[in-house]
Amino acid sequence: DAGVTQSPTHLIKTRGQQVTLRCSPKSGHDTVSWYQQALGQGPQFIFQYYEEEERQRGNFPDRFSGHQFPNYSSELNVNALLLGDSALYLCASSLSAGGLQNIQYFGAGTRLSVL
Amino acid sequence: KNQVEQSPQSLIILEGKNCTLQCNYTVSPFSNLRWYKQDTGRGPVSLTIMTFSENTKSNGRYTATLDADTKQSSLHITASQLSDSASYICVVCRSSYKLIFGSGTRLLVRP
Repeated sequence: DAGVTQSPTHLIKTRGQQVTLRCSPKSGHDTVSWYQQALGQGPQFIFQYYEEEERQRGNFPDRFSGHQFPNYSSELNVNALLLGDSALYLCASSLSAGGLQNIQYFGAGTRLSVL
Repeated sequence: KNQVEQSPQSLIILEGKNCTLQCNYTVSPFSNLRWYKQDTGRGPVSLTIMTFSENTKSNGRYTATLDADTKQSSLHITASQLSDSASYICVVCRSSYKLIFGSGTRLLVRP
């Protein structure tokens, strides 16, 4: 049973470029959340997708957008990259019916470096 | 303001020793509190989840405590191993999607 998989593992971009990160949730999970983790910090919530809709959003600008596909996989898009966007981007999947104690399973992340 | 603060920021202990990590939070409303272990370059892995009514929960050599009155939690690691070297993140959950993460405690276990 595959866990949460993210691609690519590492990515180097330059300022102003656009990037797309991908996530496949754990088998059976229908909800995907995206987080940004700066070096030495805890993850910051970007947004969550369920039933192909953005259900909630954290305090991130519109340059950050996403999508969820019918197979529950998800993409995170970041436009007009800034140096400050350099971080580890984590995807977490969960089951919407799991209730408040629902555990989020994290992928290994995509390390984005913006030069 | 909803915050989760962890201490110490970093910790070095010898293999076989015990240690305790602290977490203080001001998050409201409170649903549950989680401890995650994050190895370098990896995503966080859940260790324990505790609700308001739970005081203690164990997972092998990891024991978490929760005092909902003082809004404090601790993670105690017994008989540390080299593989325990990682960041330990305290997370307070307000809802199924509103997780407030602490900055973590970086633990290094030396032989």
